[in-house]
Amino acid sequence: QLQLQESGPGLVKPSETLSLTCTVSGGSISSSSYYWGWIRQPPGKGLEWIGSIYYSGSTYYNPSLKSRVTISVDTSKNQFSLKLSSVTAADTAVYYCARHLGVVTAPTDYWGQGTLVTVSS
Amino acid sequence: EIVMTQSPATLSVSPGERATLSCRASQSVSSNLAWYQQKPGQAPRLLIYGASTRATGIPARFSGSGSGTEFTLTISSLQSEDFAVYYCQQYNNWPPLYTFGQGTKLEIK
Repeated sequence: QLQLQESGPGLVKPSETLSLTCTVSGGSISSSSYYWGWIRQPPGKGLEWIGSIYYSGSTYYNPSLKSRVTISVDTSKNQFSLKLSSVTAADTAVYYCARHLGVVTAPTDYWGQGTLVTVSS
Repeated sequence: EIVMTQSPATLSVSPGERATLSCRASQSVSSNLAWYQQKPGQAPRLLIYGASTRATGIPARFSGSGSGTEFTLTISSLQSEDFAVYYCQQYNNWPPLYTFGQGTKLEIK
């Protein structure tokens, strides 16, 4: 059974960089059949796609966040990571990693449990 | 950006009854529409993709319909575990720009 697990600091100071890692188990991130993505959800609000990556390193980002986002992959560790720079309180959210159902645009069928990141001094 | 609008914001239905949730896209997304269920403190769960295909393990009481700009999620006979928030998502853009609706909260009447 595929499992995804987010990890990283739960508290980040304003103007600093948020860094999270998603560890994939029960399957290979190097599969040619899937993209891997990050989605976030501010407390009490809806879902926002941040960006997605292929095992080769090909990335797509939400234009609204593109200038601040970097997603990378480490196939040797079966992990992919998110960096979001210059954070503000508006970046406080539960961050989810997930697997897309395919390699063209596709919904996400496996999700991590999510990790709350709070931006505060 | 394609804007997804869900209605109603909150739907009150009794167990055993049918629930119908709507999702409208600001422009055509063909059949590239998914539905997710989210319970408090949990990650979203994929229910429907391709507008009408149930994801693995999803009960037959969940069904999706529609194409273009108008979509519907129907739950034929509500069970206690179905009370949750439901989101629609379009995945029609290339390059990808996935957008979600604001959600419909399905509550017990």
